[in-house]
Amino acid sequence: ETGVTQSPTHLIKTRGQQVTLRCSSQSGHNTVSWYQQALGQGPQFIFQYYREEENGRGNFPPRFSGLQFPNYSSELNVNALELDDSALYLCASSSGTRSEAEQFFGPGTRLTVL
Amino acid sequence: GENVGLHLPTLSVQEGDNSIINCAYSNSASDYFIWYKQESGKGPQFIIDIRSNMDKRQGQRVTVLLNKTVKHLSLQIAATQPGDSAVYFCAERSGGYQKVTFGTGTKLQVIP
Repeated sequence: ETGVTQSPTHLIKTRGQQVTLRCSSQSGHNTVSWYQQALGQGPQFIFQYYREEENGRGNFPPRFSGLQFPNYSSELNVNALELDDSALYLCASSSGTRSEAEQFFGPGTRLTVL
Repeated sequence: GENVGLHLPTLSVQEGDNSIINCAYSNSASDYFIWYKQESGKGPQFIIDIRSNMDKRQGQRVTVLLNKTVKHLSLQIAATQPGDSAVYFCAERSGGYQKVTFGTGTKLQVIP
């Protein structure tokens, strides 16, 4: 069974640019959630995708958007990057959307905005 | 709203001793709680969970206690080992989807 994978592992961008981060969910999982983790803080929920539809969103502006593909992999897109977007971006996959379905996290993508 | 920790508290424990990590949660409507362990360079890893209709749950070397009256969770680790060194987060879920709200993490340092 393959776990959650994310790419790239590290990324450096400049303010105003756009970035796309990718996540492959664990085999058999149809739900992907994205989190932003700033240094020294807990992860913050960005949004969740279930069967290619956004299924819930946290307190993030519209320049944070996402996609889920038929194979349940997912992308996180961030437009007009700001310095405060520098963080570790985590995706987590699960089977279904039940509150108690265990989420499995990937290792994250470290984004640095200069 | 989300709990954001500006500075991680640190707990230092001697190897072999028991560890207790505490957490206060914010949403009285939360019905499911999870403890995660996050090692450096990795994503959070599930340790143990508890539903709001329970007050105690035990796993292998870990116990979670829930006090809904004061909105407090604790994680007890028995016979702490060097491999337990990590940042520990409590998290709560509510609503129809899996938005997980993480609490302030605690850094556990195990002294050999």
